[in-house]
Amino acid sequence: DTGVSQDPRHKITKRGQNVTFRCDPISEHNRLYWYRQTLGQGPEFLTYFQNEAQLEKSRLLSDRFSAERPKGSFSTLEIQRTEQGDSAMYLCASSLVAGGTGELFFGEGSRLTVL
Amino acid sequence: RKEVEQDPGPFNVPEGATVAFNCTYSNSASQSFFWYRQDCRKEPKLLMSVYSSGNEDGRFTAQLNRASQYISLLIRDSKLSDSATYLCVVTTNQAGTALIFGKGTTLSVSS
Repeated sequence: DTGVSQDPRHKITKRGQNVTFRCDPISEHNRLYWYRQTLGQGPEFLTYFQNEAQLEKSRLLSDRFSAERPKGSFSTLEIQRTEQGDSAMYLCASSLVAGGTGELFFGEGSRLTVL
Repeated sequence: RKEVEQDPGPFNVPEGATVAFNCTYSNSASQSFFWYRQDCRKEPKLLMSVYSSGNEDGRFTAQLNRASQYISLLIRDSKLSDSATYLCVVTTNQAGTALIFGKGTTLSVSS
C-alpha cells in the first residue's frame, strides 16, 4: 500500500498523559499536513510542512501541541498533558506541490480518546 | 466569521433528484477552490477542483463567483452512492497557507 499511513489508528489515554502520532506520507510528496476533526465538523487545520520546514501553524494550536518532520519524510504530532477537549480524529495528509496547490491525500486518521 | 461556511445539512433527497450545495468564503485573496467528499468514518477525498469558468465532471457541476465569494456544487440524477458529506475547501496558494475546510454538508440519497 503506497498511500498515507498513520499510527496508531486508535489511542485511549488518561487526561494529563502525553501522546504521539506518526504519519508516513506518500513517498514523493513534499507537503505534509495535520488536521483535526471532531464529529459533525470539517477537518480543522493544525499545521503543515514543506519538506522538513514547518511553514504554518494554526493559531488554534496550543503550546501543548508540537509537530516535527525531521528528514522531510515521516512526521510526528505530539500532544502533551492531554485534555478531554483533545479527543478527536487526527488526520494526516500529503500532497505533491510544484506550483499551485496539489490534491491532498489523507490517511485513515488516528482517533484519540482522552478519559 | 468562519473562513469557509457551508449550507447546513442534512439534505435528504430521493434517487434521481438534483441537489445543490453552496459555500461562501471570507478571504478575498483565496485563489484555489475544491470540493472534497467524505464518506461516513472515512477520510476526505478530492471530488473536483473548481475553476473560474465553472467545470463539470459527469453528473457534478462546480461554479465559482469570485465577486460574491461563493462556490456551488450541483449534483444531477442523484445516486444512492452519492450519500456522503461534501466539504468545501479554499486556499490562497501563497507559500505558508494551508487548505481550509468548511464544516461540510451531509447528503442522504434514498430509494
